[in-house]
Amino acid sequence: AAGVIQSPRHLIKEKRETATLKCYPIPRHDTVYWYQQGPGQDPQFLISFYEKMQSDKGSIPDRFSAQQFSDYHSELNMSSLELGDSALYFCASSLLRGYEQYFGPGTRLTVT
Amino acid sequence: GESVGLHLPTLSVQEGDNSIINCAYSNSASDYFIWYKQESGKGPQFIIDIRSNMDKRQGQRVTVLLNKTVKHLSLQIAATQPGDSAVYFCAENRSGGSNYKLTFGKGTLLTVNP
Repeated sequence: AAGVIQSPRHLIKEKRETATLKCYPIPRHDTVYWYQQGPGQDPQFLISFYEKMQSDKGSIPDRFSAQQFSDYHSELNMSSLELGDSALYFCASSLLRGYEQYFGPGTRLTVT
Repeated sequence: GESVGLHLPTLSVQEGDNSIINCAYSNSASDYFIWYKQESGKGPQFIIDIRSNMDKRQGQRVTVLLNKTVKHLSLQIAATQPGDSAVYFCAENRSGGSNYKLTFGKGTLLTVNP
């Protein structure tokens, strides 16, 4: 079965640079969620989109923005990167809100 | 604040034994819970879920129990195998309104000894 696709899988950036992470949900899933997981930490919710509209917002810095496009894929844009932004970034998708969320393999972002 | 947490950070079992991973939650309004398995360097993998109108749900070798009275959730893995070694997270999804984010508890590292 098709799964959530994330790209790139690994990304190395320097401080103050920008990064764009992409997420392609499972076909027919209309809701996308972004999570950040620091080393040894549990995933922390950042933001979600339902039917291309922002649905919920968590602990997402103002330097980050995201959107969901007409084909339901989503992009997380990160600017003025800081060392503390180094983490695994997961995208999850679900068929309708409130249903089980399926996670992608993640993008490992390293800020040097 | 409201949170979902785990009693035990690590659990070591022998292959073939049954494993029980526990989780406590503090928000009595929570109505949907999910267990995820996360292997090193990979995304959380959905294992099993349960809604608050149920107290038990079974899958293949896994059972989730929900005790709403004491706000406790557990994951039971039967005949644990080396491939079950991973970090296990419980997650809470508080539905209603527009809030469908998952709140994760602290993970439990399960190690299965051959």
